[in-house]
Amino acid sequence: GAVVSQHPSWVICKSGTSVKIECRSLDFQATTMFWYRQFPKQSLMLMATSNEGSKATYEQGVEKDKFLINHASLTLSTLTVTSAHPEDSSFYICSARDRDIPDTQYFGPGTRLTVL
Amino acid sequence: GQNIDQPTEMTATEGAIVQINCTYQTSGFNGLFWYQQHAGEAPTFLSYNVLDGLEEKGRFSSFLSRSKGYSYLLLKELQMKDSASYLCAVRAFSGNTPLVFGKGTRLSVIA
Repeated sequence: GAVVSQHPSWVICKSGTSVKIECRSLDFQATTMFWYRQFPKQSLMLMATSNEGSKATYEQGVEKDKFLINHASLTLSTLTVTSAHPEDSSFYICSARDRDIPDTQYFGPGTRLTVL
Repeated sequence: GQNIDQPTEMTATEGAIVQINCTYQTSGFNGLFWYQQHAGEAPTFLSYNVLDGLEEKGRFSSFLSRSKGYSYLLLKELQMKDSASYLCAVRAFSGNTPLVFGKGTRLSVIA
């Protein structure tokens, strides 16, 4: 089956530093990946849509200069949380659509970010 | 706008049947998804409905009524490992559109 990986699975960083999270589709090509954020006991909130070779589309209220998204290849998208603050602590999950099976959306295992 | 409603919490007994309802109001409709999510883990796909009716997959079934903006997930022969959050999600349009998630229903299965 289709596999999406995320790295790292968890990270702890100091306030003010930047953290990069990678999302990879391991056995399929993904022209589109989505980044979600989930706070404890809440649902997934879409942050942005990442399209290979073009700029990401951000949801209302999500700062594009703070959450930098790069989708440089058909198997990799990265989310960089710049100048992280404690309120950015959350569970970040990516999902990827198989280019050849458009109705699919496979989720990565998530990255737990804790900002001290 | 998009609005997806489901109950916040439910409790059911091991071996029983439980139905989790979801109502939605979205600007378009191109499929409804159910996901299971255990605490601290990513969601895993359970079912997908795009046409009216019931889709059965083992112990899990999902129903859709597009005219009523309504779906339910039915879990039979409940097991303790079914304790999790169940997320209802709608895709409003085709193409590269993301899923919009409801807040999820936390199901507790008790002995």
